[in-house]
Amino acid sequence: QIQLVQSGPELKKPGETVKISCKASGYTFTDYSMHWVKQAPGKGLKWMGWINTETGEPTYADDFKGRFAFSLETSASTAYLQINNLKNEDTATYFCERRAYWGQGTLVTVSA
Amino acid sequence: DIVMTQSQKFMSTSVGDRVSVTCKASQNVGTNVAWYQQKPGQSPKALIYSASYRYSGVPDRFTGSGSGTDFTLTISNVQSEDLAEYFCQQYNSYPLTFGAGTKLELK
Repeated sequence: QIQLVQSGPELKKPGETVKISCKASGYTFTDYSMHWVKQAPGKGLKWMGWINTETGEPTYADDFKGRFAFSLETSASTAYLQINNLKNEDTATYFCERRAYWGQGTLVTVSA
Repeated sequence: DIVMTQSQKFMSTSVGDRVSVTCKASQNVGTNVAWYQQKPGQSPKALIYSASYRYSGVPDRFTGSGSGTDFTLTISNVQSEDLAEYFCQQYNSYPLTFGAGTKLELK
């Protein structure tokens, strides 16, 4: 069955970097683009952008240009989200999502 | 950016009732709307795509309708497991945008 399994929770300090993984199984990885969604504590869903899994080309929503980077390891059917220079407001659960299938979410906590 | 407005933050219902969650787009999105259900501590679950098509495995008490700017998710014969938050999303144009969510609670 189709699964997206994300890496575990992260506790980081402001200014640090975090890299979250999303490992796909049960389908051909390059057949579907991968999207990333942010959910701050107690808040709604915010689309961050997507990555073309055939070409590796990322597209970012305006609020996620600059410090955020999507990447792939196609041989491992894995997508990554890297956040550089972490800020307190990056504290959130981050989800990868592929057309109706969602990862379980990765909680990133940024605290001094 | 297209704004998806779910005007009701909370809705009260009883088991067995029929309830309708509404979502209004700030511009015409055709039928490029999805609905998601999210329970506390869980990832969203996709219910509806293309405004009115149920994903496989979604109970038929969930019905989506609408086109253009006005969309509705109707839950007939509400069950206790349906108490959750519901989000609409438009995927007609980038950036993709979600409604703020509607929490379904017991009366």
